[in-house]
Amino acid sequence: DSGVTQTPKHLITATGQRVTLRCSPRSGDLSVYWYQQSLDQGLQFLIQYYNGEERAKGNILERFSAQQFPDLHSELNLSSLELGDSALYFCASSVSPGAGGLTDTQYFGPGTRLTVL
Amino acid sequence: KNEVEQSPQNLTAQEGEFITINCSYSVGISALHWLQQHPGGGIVSLFMLSSGKKKHGRLIATINIQEKHSSLHITASHPRDSAVYICAVNFFGGSQGNLIFGKGTKLSVKP
Repeated sequence: DSGVTQTPKHLITATGQRVTLRCSPRSGDLSVYWYQQSLDQGLQFLIQYYNGEERAKGNILERFSAQQFPDLHSELNLSSLELGDSALYFCASSVSPGAGGLTDTQYFGPGTRLTVL
Repeated sequence: KNEVEQSPQNLTAQEGEFITINCSYSVGISALHWLQQHPGGGIVSLFMLSSGKKKHGRLIATINIQEKHSSLHITASHPRDSAVYICAVNFFGGSQGNLIFGKGTKLSVKP
């Protein structure tokens, strides 16, 4: 158990819908990362938050957004869903922001499997 | 382009064999990570290294910064080692801590 929790574990929805994925980082971790794992693209970085502020953006679609709340949990919102959004969505957390070459181990949550029908 | 290449893509071994998985990357990094993804999907961080060598149980990870190359070795492999092993790096040049991933090596260890 990494200490990172994600809910829900599975989500099945229809095209055009909107869903929210939730992540609670390990106790004491300030940085939260969202990653998408699809069969054709592999694991890709979406977005990072550190202590409530957006830190970095990766290959995140405009239909997707995220935020980190004062209690440090994070939510990833996916809207106008398409079939191609079906994937495993992982949240990871770490202590540091990863700035200036200061990196540390990232602890991954169990993932949310999203199926868009 | 910042890239991470892994080889082999698939690997089948007999129980007890010594296994090596390789990872190479294109530009300077601040750290390299080896991750293990179980058949159920969960991802576990095995190692984070920026130089030298680390060992944990039957797993050994090495990195050569000059050659931009890392290897993950598994000694006395066991069927429970069957998983996908993923190399990931933190590239220099930005303030991000995000990981860039290789495509993974699917390992199957037969009894």
